[in-house]
Order: sequence, then C-alpha cells, then structure tokens
Amino acid sequence: EAGVAQSPRYKIIEKRQSVAFWCNPISGHATLYWYQQILGQGPKLLIQFQNNGVVDDSQLPKDRFSAERLKGVDSTLKIQPAKLEDSAVYLCASSRGTEAFFGQGTRLTVV
Amino acid sequence: GESVGLHLPTLSVQEGDNSIINCAYSNSASDYFIWYKQESGKGPQFIIDIRSNMDKRQGQRVTVLLNKTVKHLSLQIAATQPGDSAVYFCAEKRKGAQKLVFGQGTRLTINP
Repeated sequence: EAGVAQSPRYKIIEKRQSVAFWCNPISGHATLYWYQQILGQGPKLLIQFQNNGVVDDSQLPKDRFSAERLKGVDSTLKIQPAKLEDSAVYLCASSRGTEAFFGQGTRLTVV
Repeated sequence: GESVGLHLPTLSVQEGDNSIINCAYSNSASDYFIWYKQESGKGPQFIIDIRSNMDKRQGQRVTVLLNKTVKHLSLQIAATQPGDSAVYFCAEKRKGAQKLVFGQGTRLTINP
C-alpha cells in the first residue's frame, strides 16, 4: 500500500510571498488532515477534511491560509502572504477510521 | 484548557534497557489514544494504540498502559535499540470526533 505523498519536500520563500503544498492521501482514505509542526513542538491540526467537506478548521489562520480537497482525494494547502512565523513542517495525514498515516511533510522556511 | 501533555521532554537510556515514556491527558471524554514515533526528517509513524475500554495493550517490544483514573498514558519499550532513538508523541481522539490532538513529545536518546 502506497503511503501519503507530499510535495515539495522543501521550500524556501521570502515573507509576503505565496506558497502551495500538495498532498495525495492513501487510496480509499476519506479523512485528510493538514498539520503544522513548528520545530520542537508537536503537530498542530490546521484543517481536517471528510471526503471533500471541511470537518474542522478552527485553528486555520483563515486570513492567510486556505485549503481545498475538491474531488475528495488530493488536497492543497496555500499560504498567502507568508510570514516568518509560518516556518515549519507541514504534515499531511489520512485515515480510514482511527489510525492516521502521515506523509514525510514539507519543510517551509520563510526568510 | 484541554491538553495532552508529556511529563519529560527528554529521556536518555542505555541500549538494552527498558524505556518508559509518560503522557498526561486532561479530557475525560477522550476514548482513543495513539503513540507515534517521529524520526528526524520524517512524519510521525504509528506505534500502538489503545481504546479507553482497555488498560493495557502489547505489541512487538512495546506496551501501552492506560490509567483512566489519573488520566495517564505510558509507552514502554523493551530492550531499547539504537533505532528507537526518536521523538515520541502521544495523541488522543475525543469520543465522537475525528480530530487527533498531539502532545509536545519526548525525545528518546539511546546511549551505547
């Protein structure tokens, strides 16, 4: 079974620029999560999808972050404009029930 | 507020010894708990899980203990190996919700 695929692996941008991350979940997994993991901290949930509907986006900074999962499969997370404090690893995970499987993440550095 | 937290940020053990990593949670509505292992540059990897109707679950070299009375969770790793070096997170799901909440993590270092 293929795992959760994320791209790119690394991204360096200047503040105020925009950036997008892509996630392809495990086939058949209805639930998709985006987490932000700042260095030295645990992952923080940004948004959770069930198929193509948003279940929880209470911690998503909606003035600059957006995410979509139009066909209930792949998902993109966008930041526009980026701030220095957005530097983190962005993790995508998918689940069919209880256990969540994670991708390797995208390491974003905002300079 | 509600949180999932860990008692110790770092743990250092000798190779071959047993390791115990602890986690406290505050939400009595949580009914599912997971331990994840995260190696440098990788995403969290599932180790073992336990439901609130159990107090112990064993896997290969790992055991999770759940004490609902004091809202405490622990991960025991037997005969620790160099490959066990990583950051370990406990995470919880609250009853009726799909949201997975992570604690801060404990870095486990194995001394030769």
